[in-house]
Amino acid sequence: AQKVTQAQTEISVVEKEDVTLDCVYETRDTTYYLFWYKQPPSGELVFLIRRNSFDEQNEISGRYSWNFQKSTSSFNFTITASQVVDSAVYFCALSVVGQNFVFGPGTRLSVLP
Amino acid sequence: NAGVTQTPKFQVLKTGQSMTLQCAQDMNHEYMSWYRQDPGMGLRLIHYSVGAGITDQGEVPNGYNVSRSTTEDFPLRLLSAAPSQTSVYFCASSFSGWASYEQYFGPGTRLTVT
Repeated sequence: AQKVTQAQTEISVVEKEDVTLDCVYETRDTTYYLFWYKQPPSGELVFLIRRNSFDEQNEISGRYSWNFQKSTSSFNFTITASQVVDSAVYFCALSVVGQNFVFGPGTRLSVLP
Repeated sequence: NAGVTQTPKFQVLKTGQSMTLQCAQDMNHEYMSWYRQDPGMGLRLIHYSVGAGITDQGEVPNGYNVSRSTTEDFPLRLLSAAPSQTSVYFCASSFSGWASYEQYFGPGTRLTVT
């Protein structure tokens, strides 16, 4: 069975601090896909990134970066120089062939001015 | 493109009432799904469809029905509402049910059952 754990329920940082959101996944499949979604206070879910199990390269997009490590089954998300607009709930999700998406419980990030 | 649309945005029901949450997408996506979001539990899959005429149950299907008569529409029916169904409901779609495709979500419907 697939499982996603986001151990940090809530994180609070001051603007301009760096923050890392942890995601640990469990699967026995060798082919799988990992995703991050953002849910701002307005409530919609916004797709941020997809990573497949064969590509362990880290990804950077502006202030966002993702660190995928198969050895620790982790797909962590770092926001550099956080801003108030980054305040949201962030979900990590796992998908394997023949199975549906499994979402983690989410991490609520509050960035204080 | 409107993407994924959901109606209504808010709904209050009394226990035992029935209703249909509407979902439509204009991206010609094959895969559509319904989730419910409850505090601390992430998103849980209710039902999904891999194409018109094909539906299947997800993790928490009890009390809900779906049908998929067209590619665009995927309504969710609550048969006899219960307070435990108070939640935020999201409809999503993706190009196909293949694991690699990201899902796009509608704006959600906040349902309260009293």
